[in-house]
Parts: sequence; structure tokens; C-alpha cells
Amino acid sequence: GQQVMQIPQYQHVQEGEDFTTYCNSSTTLSNIQWYKQRPGGHPVFLIQLVKSGEVKKQKRLTFQFGEAKKNSSLHITATQTTDVGTYFCAGVRNTGFQKLVFGTGTRLLVSP
Amino acid sequence: DVKVTQSSRYLVKRTGEKVFLECVQDMDHENMFWYRQDPGLGLRLIYFSYDVKMKEKGDIPEGYSVSREKKERFSLILESASTNQTSMYLCASSLHEGRFDTEAFFGQGTRLTVV
Repeated sequence: GQQVMQIPQYQHVQEGEDFTTYCNSSTTLSNIQWYKQRPGGHPVFLIQLVKSGEVKKQKRLTFQFGEAKKNSSLHITATQTTDVGTYFCAGVRNTGFQKLVFGTGTRLLVSP
Repeated sequence: DVKVTQSSRYLVKRTGEKVFLECVQDMDHENMFWYRQDPGLGLRLIYFSYDVKMKEKGDIPEGYSVSREKKERFSLILESASTNQTSMYLCASSLHEGRFDTEAFFGQGTRLTVV
């Protein structure tokens, strides 16, 4: 079954509000990636985190990898309508044959 | 630019038909993947391949098979399509044989409807 869960499943915000999505794995991950899928589009890579406790920023987006390497978060400051889409985390499992497992996704809607 | 091309954007097939979904990438990537995407379930890995003629089962391989005869092409086969295989199918590729710590590039997706 699904071993990488994301919450919330859906969020609707007003433009200018902040947004956070959380990603939780049942197993330790060797690294985590984040992707964005625009409506009608395909997932596009945003960033990868590798180290325990790592924090990376891309303009208004802040990505964090948990100390135990089992969870991650994406925070968007002051959302814009261009942020609309579904955000997926994807983890590489640390046990067994490595494969990229995607989370359930968080769909973000931003109203002007 | 990396290009991952899926043969069809939309497909409608009948129950029991054998269905082939084709994916081609032009960047000499070793790794290729097939996912299906369903609302609320995210992307679930069906099969992946890290080299020609090599394949590994993902999380939901039942009812599917794959073929990788050439490095650039990875085919997903539904031996006998069923209505519960109606879904969006996404192909992806990435660099580095056997490793998954590089970004994956996705095709545009094939929306398959089985009636």
C-alpha cells in the first residue's frame, strides 16, 4: 500500500496567504524530491533534499527534510495564482532495491 | 531539453483487449518508470527498469507487464484490460543505472479509459 502520505489532500487559499504541505513516510528515506503538477500537466521536478535536517529555499518556497529522514515539508510564503497545482513529494526508500515512491499529493487552489 | 514522449494522449479500449502504452526518451537515460495516477492516491509505481531488458516490479504490478528491448523505449502492456485499469498513466525517465537520486522527467501522460 501507499507508504508516503501527504496532508492536506486539498487546500484552498486566498492569494497572499501562506501554504504548507507535509509528507510522511513509514520508512527512512535516503533522499526526498518535490514535484509540481499544473492542472492538465505532468509532474515537474522542483528540488531534492538529501541530508537530515536539510532546509532549502527557492524564492518563496522553503523545503525541509526531517531529522529522522521520514518526513518533509514544503512551505509557500505569500501564495500567488501561479502556485496553483498539485505538489508531490517522492522518496527513495533506504531499504531494499531503491525506487522512487510518490506521495499522495496536495492540491493547492489559490483565489485572487 | 529532455523529452519523454508517450505515444497517445487519450485511449479508449474495450474490456479484455490487449493494450500497449509506449514511451520514448531521447536523453540516453538508464532508468525508466511507469506510474498510474488516480485522484487521492497520487502516483503509484507499476514497473521500472534500470537497463535494457531489466525490469523490476513496483507497488502495483498486477495485471501489467513491461518490455524494454531498447534503451530509449519502455512499453507498458495490459494483457487483458479491465475497467479498474481506467486511469492516467505516466512514463518517466532519469539518469544513473540503479540509482534514483536524480530528477525524474515525465511524459505528458496517457489517459486510458476501459469500457
